[in-house]
Amino acid sequence: AAGVIQSPRHLIKEKRETATLKCYPIPRHDTVYWYQQGPGQDPQFLISFYEKMQSDKGSIPDRFSAQQFSDYHSELNMSSLELGDSALYFCASSPRLAGGTYNEQFFGPGTRLTVL
Amino acid sequence: RKEVEQDPGPFNVPEGATVAFNCTYSNSASQSFFWYRQDCRKEPKLLMSVYSSGNEDGRFTAQLNRASQYISLLIRDSKLSDSATYLCVVNANEAGFQKLVFGTGTRLLVSP
Repeated sequence: AAGVIQSPRHLIKEKRETATLKCYPIPRHDTVYWYQQGPGQDPQFLISFYEKMQSDKGSIPDRFSAQQFSDYHSELNMSSLELGDSALYFCASSPRLAGGTYNEQFFGPGTRLTVL
Repeated sequence: RKEVEQDPGPFNVPEGATVAFNCTYSNSASQSFFWYRQDCRKEPKLLMSVYSSGNEDGRFTAQLNRASQYISLLIRDSKLSDSATYLCVVNANEAGFQKLVFGTGTRLLVSP
């Protein structure tokens, strides 16, 4: 079965550079979520999109922005990178059932970002 | 205090043992609950959703106690391949949208 695709899988950047992470959700999933997981920590919710509109916002720094495109893929843009941004960035997707019924989120393999 | 709390472990058990993990959550508005499994440097993978009446999937049994805001996961007949970190995850469904809150995870080590 198709899974969530993330690219790149690994990324090395210098301080103050920018980075763009991409996420392709499972087909027919219209909701995308971004999470950040630092070393030894649990995943922290950053932001989510439903039908190309931002649906919720978590602990996403102002230096980061994200959007969802018409084909439902999403991009996380990170500027003025700091050493502390080094982490695993996961994208997850879920189908939003009619009536807002909850459902499970399925995670991509993540992008490992290292800021030097 | 974290919104979702778990005993970090590690739990060291021999193959074939039964092990139980507990989790408490603070947001009484939480509506859905999950156990995810995460292997080192990999993505969280959904193990099972937790339903109000409790549910079982093979060797895994999940229980929910809404009054006590408590979730549990029982693993019977542990296998070496069960070694991983088990994440208790709570969803506060707001206006139909999900925001998952993860516990810090409980590490399980199953030895021969």
